[in-house]
Amino acid sequence: KAGVTQTPRYLIKTRGQQVTLSCSPISGHRSVSWYQQTPGQGLQFLFEYFSETQRNKGNFPGRFSGRQFSNSRSEMNVSTLELGDSALYLCASSSGDSPTEAFFGQGTRLTVV
Amino acid sequence: AQSVTQLGSHVSVSEGALVLLRCNYSSSVPPYLFWYVQYPNQGLQLLLKYTSAATLVKGINGFEAEFKKSETSFHLTKPSAHMSDAAEYFCAVSDPTGRRALTFGSGTRLQVQP
Repeated sequence: KAGVTQTPRYLIKTRGQQVTLSCSPISGHRSVSWYQQTPGQGLQFLFEYFSETQRNKGNFPGRFSGRQFSNSRSEMNVSTLELGDSALYLCASSSGDSPTEAFFGQGTRLTVV
Repeated sequence: AQSVTQLGSHVSVSEGALVLLRCNYSSSVPPYLFWYVQYPNQGLQLLLKYTSAATLVKGINGFEAEFKKSETSFHLTKPSAHMSDAAEYFCAVSDPTGRRALTFGSGTRLQVQP
C-alpha cells in the first residue's frame, strides 16, 4: 500500500510570491490534514479536508488556503509569501473516522528568501 | 481545549539504558493519545496510540506507553536504547471523535550515546 506522497520535497521561493504544495493520501483515505513545522513554533495545524470539504481550520492567516479533489488529493496554497513562512509542511492522511490514526508524508521543505 | 506538555526538550541516554520520555496532557474529554517519531528531514511515524482500550500500549521498535488518567500522563518508555532510536519524539492528543486535529507537544530530542 503506497504511503502519503508530498510534492515537491524542496522548494525555494522569493518573498511575495505564491506557492502550491501537493499531497496524495493513502488510497481509500478521505481526510487530509496539513501541518506547519518550524523550530520556533513546533507543529501547528493548518486545516483538514474531508470528502472535499474543509472540516477543521487552524489559526493561520487567510494567505494559507487549501482544497481537496474528488480523488482525495489535496493542495495547499500560500500567497504573498513571507520569510516566516519558511517551514516544513507536512500532510497527514487518515480515514477520517474514529478512532483516527494519521499517516504523515515526508513533507515539503519551503524556504522563502 | 486540548494541550500537551513534553517535559525535557533534550534527553540523552547511553546505549542499552532505559528510555523515558515524558508527556502530560490536558483535555476536557477522554482523549486519544499518540507518540510519533521523526528522523531528520522526514515526516512523522506513528509509534503507538491509546484509544481507551488497554492502558498499557505497546508500539513498534520496542516502545511502550502507559496511560495514567490520575496523573494525566502518557510517558513513553523503552527498556534498552539503541543508537537507531536517536530522533525527535512527539506526543499528540486528539478527541475521540477523530474529527479534530492532533495537538502536538513541543517534542523531545533523544540522543543515544555509545
